[in-house]
Amino acid sequence: EADIYQTPRYLVIGTGKKITLECSQTMGHDKMYWYQQDPGMELHLIHYSYGVNSTEKGDLSSESTVSRIRTEHFPLTLESARPSHTSQYLCASSESSGGGIADTQYFGPGTRLTVL
Amino acid sequence: GENVEQHPSTLSVQEGDSAVIKCTYSDSASNYFPWYKQELGKRPQLIIDIRSNVGEKKDQRIAVTLNKTAKHFSLHITETQPEDSAVYFCAASLVGSSYKLIFGSGTRLLVRP
Repeated sequence: EADIYQTPRYLVIGTGKKITLECSQTMGHDKMYWYQQDPGMELHLIHYSYGVNSTEKGDLSSESTVSRIRTEHFPLTLESARPSHTSQYLCASSESSGGGIADTQYFGPGTRLTVL
Repeated sequence: GENVEQHPSTLSVQEGDSAVIKCTYSDSASNYFPWYKQELGKRPQLIIDIRSNVGEKKDQRIAVTLNKTAKHFSLHITETQPEDSAVYFCAASLVGSSYKLIFGSGTRLLVRP
């Protein structure tokens, strides 16, 4: 199984709090992604990164921000959490084959966030 | 924008029967098509994938077929078992500088013992 980790696995917080969801991978993958998914439902891409100092917004508008200072680390931050942010957040990574070819994405175990 | 349509949304089969899930994609330049299985409370896991230079790929009870002309691809599971029960997602790649995958909306498969 791919080595990609997420912490915390579960988080319950109050409205207005700032939170950071951690994602780390030990495979040396250049590309990393954040998806938002309600249980059993469609995956929505909210952020992605092609490498260090590269971040892009995904297809689903999100009030979160990301950073990529190190290859292995891709944290997601919510400055002020709201109940509408309640969901599961999945991190993924893939290596670069080059030539514009997409590669297998490996997913982390997810963080289930509940905002009260 | 580009999208992937997946059908059916739910599928119930008797153990031992076959299950087929179909996806269509809109970007004719897409060249990579993975299938993920997600069990309840767990992460999506790749079960099989296919690239646009082949029409079919098999791995034991699982097979994927690709029709580039019609822009659709299908997942076939034979001799289904209760442990095959899960949500299955198809995806298609976006070509170019973007290495993104566009996911289908998922199919909830239930295999009845």
